[in-house]
Amino acid sequence: QLQLQESGPGLVKPSETLSLTCSVSGGSISSSVYFWGWIRQPPGYGLEWIGSAYYGGNTYYNPSLKSRVTMSVDTSKNQFSLKLTSVTAADTAVYYCARHRGDGNWALAYWGQGTLVTVSS
Amino acid sequence: DIQMTQSPSSLSASVGDRVTITCRASQSINTYLNWYQQKPGKAPNLLIYSASTLQSGVPSRFSGSGSGTDFTLTISSLQPDDFATYYCQQSFITPRDFGQGTKVEVK
Repeated sequence: QLQLQESGPGLVKPSETLSLTCSVSGGSISSSVYFWGWIRQPPGYGLEWIGSAYYGGNTYYNPSLKSRVTMSVDTSKNQFSLKLTSVTAADTAVYYCARHRGDGNWALAYWGQGTLVTVSS
Repeated sequence: DIQMTQSPSSLSASVGDRVTITCRASQSINTYLNWYQQKPGKAPNLLIYSASTLQSGVPSRFSGSGSGTDFTLTISSLQPDDFATYYCQQSFITPRDFGQGTKVEVK
């Protein structure tokens, strides 16, 4: 059974860079049919799609965050990562990593448990 | 960007009720529409993809319909485990945005 687990600092200072990693077990991140995504949810609010990446290097970002987001895939570690620069309090959220269904379908079928990142000095 | 609007934002229902949630896209998305269920403190769970296809393991009381701009999620007979928040998401074009959510509460 595929499992995803987010990891990274729970507290980030304003103007600094938020860095998270998603470790994948029970499946290979190098599979040619899957995209891997990041989604966030501010406390008490709805879901926001941040972006998705493919092991071959293709990335798709939400235009509202594109200037600050970088996603990458590390096949040697079976992990993918998110970097968000110049964070503010508005970036405080639970961050989820997820895998798309595959076969060109962008539905998010597998999710990590989520990790809360608070932006505060 | 395509705007996704769900209605209602919340509803109160009883066990056994038939529940319908709608999602409207600001432009046509064909059938590139997904539905998720989220319980407090948990990650969302995919229920339906491509507007009407049930994800493996999801009970058959959940169904989806629609195409173009108007979509519906129906729970045929609400069960105690179904009290949660439901989100639609379009997967037609970047950004793959979500609706604002519909909270299904106990009446």
